[in-house]
Amino acid sequence: AQRVTQPEKLLSVFKGAPVELKCNYSYSGSPELFWYVQYSRQRLQLLLRHISRESIKGFTADLNKGETSFHLKKPFAQEEDSAMYYCALSRQGSARQLTFGSGTQLTVLP
Amino acid sequence: KAGVTQTPRYLIKTRGQQVTLSCSPISGHRSVSWYQQTPGQGLQFLFEYFSETQRNKGNFPGRFSGRQFSNSRSEMNVSTLELGDSALYLCASSLEASGGNEQFFGPGTRLTVL
Repeated sequence: AQRVTQPEKLLSVFKGAPVELKCNYSYSGSPELFWYVQYSRQRLQLLLRHISRESIKGFTADLNKGETSFHLKKPFAQEEDSAMYYCALSRQGSARQLTFGSGTQLTVLP
Repeated sequence: KAGVTQTPRYLIKTRGQQVTLSCSPISGHRSVSWYQQTPGQGLQFLFEYFSETQRNKGNFPGRFSGRQFSNSRSEMNVSTLELGDSALYLCASSLEASGGNEQFFGPGTRLTVL
């Protein structure tokens, strides 16, 4: 069975500090990994996906198949980064059937 | 381009009743997926429709069903409602050029079962 684990329900950092949101997964095969974000009173939206290998809003995430991790990182957190972050996976070629983690609420303090 | 719309936004039902939720995808999107979000179980995949056919199905009882129309609009139905069906139901739409298209989520329908 596939599973996504986000060990931190809540995470607080100060503005300008580095931030790392952890995500571990279990999947028998080659998954696609995603980070979704939900800002206050907004819809769930895609932040980035591992196959794109791009940086969005300063965030990056590297797929580590050996450690089955896909941690989200940003070197300097901003107050507008405060949001709920979900890690998700799908089997390759099926990005419409996502398995989500439980989410991490990130708060960036001034 | 208008985003994914869901109606109604809020719904209150009693146990044993049935409910139908509607989702209108972004124009041109042919795939619609449904998810249930609860505090206890988080976000869980219900099913996905493409070209009026159910392509994938999550681990939910048969009381949960759906359909898609020729204009790609989708409905999901829950029969014989239980208290545990209280949740936020999200739909998401995507293109179908290949398997890896981004999903765009709607605002959700908040269902409360009394």
